[in-house]
Amino acid sequence: DGGITQSPKYLFRKEGQNVTLSCEQNLNHDAMYWYRQDPGQGLRLIYYSQIVNDFQKGDIAEGYSVSREKKESFPLTVTSAQKNPTAFYLCGTSGSYNEQFFGPGTRLTVL
Amino acid sequence: GQSLEQPSEVTAVEGAIVQINCTYQTSGFYGLSWYQQHDGGAPTFLSYNALDGLEETGRFSSFLSRSDSYGYLLLQELQMKDSASYFCAVIGQGGKLIFGQGTELSVKP
Repeated sequence: DGGITQSPKYLFRKEGQNVTLSCEQNLNHDAMYWYRQDPGQGLRLIYYSQIVNDFQKGDIAEGYSVSREKKESFPLTVTSAQKNPTAFYLCGTSGSYNEQFFGPGTRLTVL
Repeated sequence: GQSLEQPSEVTAVEGAIVQINCTYQTSGFYGLSWYQQHDGGAPTFLSYNALDGLEETGRFSSFLSRSDSYGYLLLQELQMKDSASYFCAVIGQGGKLIFGQGTELSVKP
């Protein structure tokens, strides 16, 4: 099956802990993105990568970090510096400018 | 700055036609996209306009006027399953998507 997988679906974290969200794709897309969505809101871009070993900050990068060591993988680490990390996190990919595909998302809750 | 404006909610009945408007203000514009998101799910792509005019895909159509920084999504023959949130998104440099806040569409019987 072609697509984007994100794991885990639900994640609980204690305050002060770092946590890494996984995103894997087999669509052979060069570009990958991480978004955050809060209830009743649109998606906000955290980080994006257009090619392996390169990535750029989005609009709300503070408190987050990423890596892009492989084309298929773009993990997101939510660090303890992120003051309000409870949200729905979506990973996206794009093979062209006009369409993005999204994974099923990870719901992160800080206890 | 960059911003997109769309109505927060719209209600319509089955079989009707509804139009969701989107106005935008951005630096760097490569097109306007529309996405549908059902509760608890991921957004799915509906349409894309890079040039002025109307794009039709089945029951859904999307329009863009770059001179007015305005677009809309038109949904025809509404069905209950169309109840969802609809987001307009401007495509910026590097394929970045800048999303609006979303319009919650409720379709009533």
